[in-house]
Amino acid sequence: NAGVTQTPKFQVLKTGQSMTLQCAQDMNHEYMSWYRQDPGMGLRLIHYSVGAGITDQGEVPNGYNVSRSTTEDFPLRLLSAAPSQTSVYFCASRPIGPITYEQYFGPGTRLTVT
Amino acid sequence: RKEVEQDPGPFNVPEGATVAFNCTYSNSASQSFFWYRQDCRKEPKLLMSVYSSGNEDGRFTAQLNRASQYISLLIRDSKLSDSATYLCVVSTGTASKLTFGTGTRLQVTL
Repeated sequence: NAGVTQTPKFQVLKTGQSMTLQCAQDMNHEYMSWYRQDPGMGLRLIHYSVGAGITDQGEVPNGYNVSRSTTEDFPLRLLSAAPSQTSVYFCASRPIGPITYEQYFGPGTRLTVT
Repeated sequence: RKEVEQDPGPFNVPEGATVAFNCTYSNSASQSFFWYRQDCRKEPKLLMSVYSSGNEDGRFTAQLNRASQYISLLIRDSKLSDSATYLCVVSTGTASKLTFGTGTRLQVTL
């Protein structure tokens, strides 16, 4: 199993550009989520999904869109990049069940917006 | 008030020392509790779940006090390889969303 994969690993954007961060998992997990991690702020939830066709907003959704057309893929779209979106982005997945299971993270995408 | 609060450290300890981290959470309806470990510039990984009865995994012991809304992690006989940031994590609400503390950094030295 590859686990959770993310592409690209690094990205530099200019203000106003758009792009999509890719995330895929091969563990058949229902739950997938995107976080951003900034110094002193911890990981903050951007969007999450409990299954194909179902998405919802997290703590900091503004400026980001997601879709979940398959169980495996959960791309994150930046609509019009801003310097405030400079961050490390982590995608994660876990099964859904009667307890909260271990969450698996991808290796992260380091995004700089100039 | 943050939902999950941790002392950011850093905690600098010599090899072999015992070190304890604390964490408090604000939502009394929180359901599940975890410690994750994050190495520098890497993704977080589950260290252990935390149960009300307390649980131990080798040199690591985790405790939960629901009445005080307090979670702890004790590391005995610290190793150089324990140097990392330890994240306190709480799951709450529908879909059991995870809320992460900002992390406590541990540096173990010779």
